[in-house]
Formats: sequence, C-alpha cells, structure tokens
Amino acid sequence: GAVVSQHPSRVICKSGTSVKIECRSLDFQATTMFWYRQFPKQSLMLMATSNEGSKATYEQGVEKDKFLINHASLTLSTLTVTSAHPEDSSFYICSAGGLAGVTNEQFFGPGTRLTVL
Amino acid sequence: QKEVEQDPGPLSVPEGAIVSLNCTYSNSAFQYFMWYRQYSRKGPELLMYTYSSGNKEDGRFTAQVDKSSKYISLFIRDSQPSDSATYLCAMRETSYDKVIFGPGTSLSVIP
Repeated sequence: GAVVSQHPSRVICKSGTSVKIECRSLDFQATTMFWYRQFPKQSLMLMATSNEGSKATYEQGVEKDKFLINHASLTLSTLTVTSAHPEDSSFYICSAGGLAGVTNEQFFGPGTRLTVL
Repeated sequence: QKEVEQDPGPLSVPEGAIVSLNCTYSNSAFQYFMWYRQYSRKGPELLMYTYSSGNKEDGRFTAQVDKSSKYISLFIRDSQPSDSATYLCAMRETSYDKVIFGPGTSLSVIP
C-alpha cells in the first residue's frame, strides 16, 4: 500500500505555544488529506478534510482558528495547533486519499502524540 | 444512537481460536466497509475493504457485510498473539466520502 509519513512522531510543548504537524504522502499524490484526533481508548474522530489548493472543511465542533490546516501540495498537508492547552493533548493522525485510477482507499500515517504541559 | 456501534471489549482468546468481531450501523447509505487494525500508539492499518454486501476472504481474515441487517463482521481464523490489537470497523457512503469509524474492539490473543 501507499506510504504516509508524519512528523514529528511525538511532541511535548508548554501551554500557549503552537505546534505544527506534517503529513506527507511519500510515493503518491494525494488529492485529499484527512486529519483525525484520537483520545485514549477512543476511536478516531475526523477533524477536517483538506483538498490541495483549497480551504479545509472542518467537522462540527472543531475550531478552525485553533487547528490550522494547510494543504499546499499534493504530497504535504500540515496541521498547526495554535495556543495549545493541556486539553489538546491527544494522538493526531492524518490520512491521504484520492489515488485516481488506483484505489479510493485512505492510507494512514503513524500518528503524532501531542502532550501539552 | 451512534452512527456506528462496536463492542469495545476487551476480548481475550487463546491462540488458535476463531475470533468474531462485529459492528452495526444505522446509515443505510453506507456502501463501503473497512476493517482496520491498530496497534498501540500506531496509526490504523487497513485489513479488509468491501463494497456492498457479501463476503471477502484474505488469508486468515474474512469480512462479511449484510446490508439488509446493517451488520458487518470480521472473522480471524487461527488467531495469533501478533493479532492482539484494536480492531476498528469503518464505513462510508461514497468512495470519496469521509470515513466513519466505530469505537474499536480491543483483542488480546493469549499464547
């Protein structure tokens, strides 16, 4: 299957700082990327969907000014958690999809564990 | 009622057992059904991908979809300790729609 990477794999930051997480599709061009958040022992909750070159579509209840998503190219999407607080501590996972002509499946990155002190 | 329901477990079985994992859903528009395996602190890994009703087999894994009952299953034969993980069912309406995940079932296979 296609490979999706995330960087960093884990980050610890102080309350009030901003954190950027990168999601890259390594061997294919992804027209759509998805960002999920997963709290311990819970399922993945979709935060937003981003298409290359356009604004992200956020799910209900997700603050778009707090979780900034940029999808500048077909291989890179970034999620910036602005002014992070302890309640933002979670496992953030991206997925990439839209491999035209190959599969409609989503391929997931390994996740980024964010801890806000 | 949640859109996708799944027994969270934990489910503990001896090595070699047949494991049955299930999900029910409420949205009759779902057409694509997936099973993902997620190891602790890792991203989900796609196991099975099925369109509409029917069965699909891949090695020790068999996925079943019954759209009339809004019920999907994943069977694991000859379970191994390496199968110990959380299994997430997932589904969506169209091939490019957002994926809705179940809460996951935690499975432990005891040697």
